[in-house]
Amino acid sequence: AQKVTQAQTEISVVEKEDVTLDCVYETRDTTYYLFWYKQPPSGELVFLIRRNSFDEQNEISGRYSWNFQKSTSSFNFTITASQVVDSAVYFCALPKETSGSRLTFGEGTQLTVNP
Amino acid sequence: EPEVTQTPSHQVTQMGQEVILRCVPISNHLYFYWYRQILGQKVEFLVSFYNNEISEKSEIFDDQFSVERPDGSNFTLKIRSTKLEDSAMYFCASGGGFDNEQFFGPGTRLTVL
Repeated sequence: AQKVTQAQTEISVVEKEDVTLDCVYETRDTTYYLFWYKQPPSGELVFLIRRNSFDEQNEISGRYSWNFQKSTSSFNFTITASQVVDSAVYFCALPKETSGSRLTFGEGTQLTVNP
Repeated sequence: EPEVTQTPSHQVTQMGQEVILRCVPISNHLYFYWYRQILGQKVEFLVSFYNNEISEKSEIFDDQFSVERPDGSNFTLKIRSTKLEDSAMYFCASGGGFDNEQFFGPGTRLTVL
């Protein structure tokens, strides 16, 4: 069965620091998607990115970037020049193996950005 | 921008009572989901719904749970006889395609006393 591991339970940084959130996954599928979601203190889940395993190019969106490495089964998320508003729990997620759409979430990483 | 909405935002109920959580998915989406998150824990899948039937359910989704799409816009989760351990945040999500991104509603916090 698939598995998503976010080993960092909590990370605390000072504003303007760069921070990387790790995500390691296990799946028997040869093609799959990976997702990141943000859960701010208000509690909603905000979609950040969906990435196809075919595409190992880094993805950049403003201060956010994602590094996908199929060889190490990792899909890490970096926030450059962090801001207080980035404080949230970040979840990495993977769909069910073999044509499933249900998402398996990691345990999440609580990021706190201090002023 | 279209979004998933959920009502109520907070529901308090007594153990053994029935609750219905309501969701309005994004209008052109075809896949609907319920997830839950016990306080401080990760998000867990409950059930997926497509073409007016359950397409998949987790081991959490036992006989006490049911889902329905009573009309063209609403998607409901019913818990027949709530237990203390059902206390959690319940998220509805919808997606435009089988493996598309899922957009989540703001959640309903269910408290069972």
